[in-house]
Amino acid sequence: GQQVMQIPQYQHVQEGEDFTTYCNSSTTLSNIQWYKQRPGGHPVFLIQLVKSGEVKKQKRLTFQFGEAKKNSSLHITATQTTDVGTYFCAAPRGFQKLVFGTGTRLLVSP
Amino acid sequence: DADVTQTPRNRITKTGKRIMLECSQTKGHDRMYWYRQDPGLGLRLIYYSFDVKDINKGEISDGYSVSRQAQAKFSLSLESAIPNQTALYFCATSDFGQSYGYTFGSGTRLTVV
Repeated sequence: GQQVMQIPQYQHVQEGEDFTTYCNSSTTLSNIQWYKQRPGGHPVFLIQLVKSGEVKKQKRLTFQFGEAKKNSSLHITATQTTDVGTYFCAAPRGFQKLVFGTGTRLLVSP
Repeated sequence: DADVTQTPRNRITKTGKRIMLECSQTKGHDRMYWYRQDPGLGLRLIYYSFDVKDINKGEISDGYSVSRQAQAKFSLSLESAIPNQTALYFCATSDFGQSYGYTFGSGTRLTVV
């Protein structure tokens, strides 16, 4: 079945450094979603990308959807301690069901 | 009040016991889902329901059952709990187009001893 691979599994950065997580699929995706889960919390929807080559920004977060719609990335500029958490990508499998990537856990040291 | 409420928040149960996890929502969404989260494995779909009369198995439904009692309520049961069902369980809802993604509950941390 369709799988969504996410790398890296874990990253530890110093506050102020940049961070990127990547999501890759072997099949073309109709759209991709990104979620953030704070430690001890639940996943919270961040954004959905639909168009080939789409780029969206939310303050220091930049989301990209690849031209072939098989990969996506989330880039955080100048990380802050509030960015700590696990970031998941998710893509539809079949009709209206999401398959989640394994997540990238981000730790930010002050 | 939270849009998606899960009860209990934490539960310890013994092997072989039946346990029910409950989920209710005030979002007015038709679609509801149960996911299981294990470290390093992300979120895996157990069951989902697109309306009150619709129940579908997800990728890891063995050992679980669900009931959609109303549009707003979707419960997950473990008929005979086993230790490898120890995990964090999330209920989620979505609207038809998912334009605003899934809304997750706060989760139930289940430990089977």
